[in-house]
Amino acid sequence: DGGITQSPKYLFRKEGQNVTLSCEQNLNHDAMYWYRQDPGQGLRLIYYSQIVNDFQKGDIAEGYSVSREKKESFPLTVTSAQKNPTAFYLCASSNSRYTEAFFGQGTRLTVV
Amino acid sequence: GQQVMQIPQYQHVQEGEDFTTYCNSSTTLSNIQWYKQRPGGHPVFLIQLVKSGEVKKQKRLTFQFGEAKKNSSLHITATQTTDVGTYFCAGRGTDSWGKFQFGAGTQVVVTP
Repeated sequence: DGGITQSPKYLFRKEGQNVTLSCEQNLNHDAMYWYRQDPGQGLRLIYYSQIVNDFQKGDIAEGYSVSREKKESFPLTVTSAQKNPTAFYLCASSNSRYTEAFFGQGTRLTVV
Repeated sequence: GQQVMQIPQYQHVQEGEDFTTYCNSSTTLSNIQWYKQRPGGHPVFLIQLVKSGEVKKQKRLTFQFGEAKKNSSLHITATQTTDVGTYFCAGRGTDSWGKFQFGAGTQVVVTP
């Protein structure tokens, strides 16, 4: 089945540690995105990538890093520089600017 | 920068009643999309509007794109308990490829 897969579903991190969230898609989509969602709030764009080996900062990129070495993969690293990382992280992909985004199931990150 | 605002933030509806949620952009949009996120779930695409003044219907849901392409609305008739969730609009600016700007969403609660 085609789709977009995020792992893990739940992640716990100690303060000062970096963690990497996985996002894989087999939809052959060019564009991929990372969003952060806080309780009762909308989706805020962290990073997005239009093609392999290229990505741009979104609205809240500070404290995060990404890579796009393969078309199907777009991992997000939450670094220790992110002061308030506890949130629900959503990865999405789309074929073009004229088509819909498909979202993964999300990763819930908690700092302990 | 482009901003997308949704009102109301919360909507309590009696089962069987109608309601409307609104989406307003500070800039002209190339297209707008609507998503639904069930509690504990991830956003799922509902529809896309592209043309000025466009109206689309999906069963009890009616979506409209404003003439100036700066606002949109979602009207639900005869609300059911299955309509519970948060409805997001997402607009693409005319000068940004592949980048969605999501509104904060309207959280809908349905009482039997």
